[in-house]
Amino acid sequence: GENVEQHPSTLSVQEGDSAVIKCTYSDSASNYFPWYKQELGKGPQLIIDIRSNVGEKKDQRIAVTLNKTAKHFSLHITETQPEDSAVYFCAANAGGTSYGKLTFGQGTILTVHP
Amino acid sequence: NAGVTQTPKFQVLKTGQSMTLQCAQDMNHEYMSWYRQDPGMGLRLIHYSVGAGITDQGEVPNGYNVSRSTTEDFPLRLLSAAPSQTSVYFCASSYTGGSEYEQYFGPGTRLTVT
Repeated sequence: GENVEQHPSTLSVQEGDSAVIKCTYSDSASNYFPWYKQELGKGPQLIIDIRSNVGEKKDQRIAVTLNKTAKHFSLHITETQPEDSAVYFCAANAGGTSYGKLTFGQGTILTVHP
Repeated sequence: NAGVTQTPKFQVLKTGQSMTLQCAQDMNHEYMSWYRQDPGMGLRLIHYSVGAGITDQGEVPNGYNVSRSTTEDFPLRLLSAAPSQTSVYFCASSYTGGSEYEQYFGPGTRLTVT
């Protein structure tokens, strides 16, 4: 089955700095790679996703890059703000299924210091 | 829309007790799933369903049962609770077709088994 590894497990940055979280996956059939943000006491919420037919996607201060050959994808947050502090999860759809059977990474606790 | 709702928010069980975690969604999503979240392990898929009457096992199905009699509801049953089932449980739903892959998560149920 699919295996998703996520690094680092914790990340501490100063407000205004950039943050990068990296994930690798094992199943070459995976074709959908979402990133979720989880705030304390809440369920995960999708912040950005990328399909395997593109290499990069941006949404304001957030971007995701995908390297299918190397089987890794990354989340980039620029100009970080204290409200970006949360747990971030990457995921991949196991077996390339269209209905989102997701395998998640272990999570990254991001802390943005004012 | 209420989105994905889960009840109860918190539950304490004794070893050997049984209970049902409720999940409902009002978005007419075909796909529903249950995850458990443990520290340092991300979210792991327990069971999922691609429509009423259809369920399948995920990564960690042992000790849990599910059924899907309606599109809206997807309850998770613990038949004989064990301390290893202490976790936070999340229900999620999404469409199964087209380009809409986003999974919407509920707020979670925190379960403690003593």
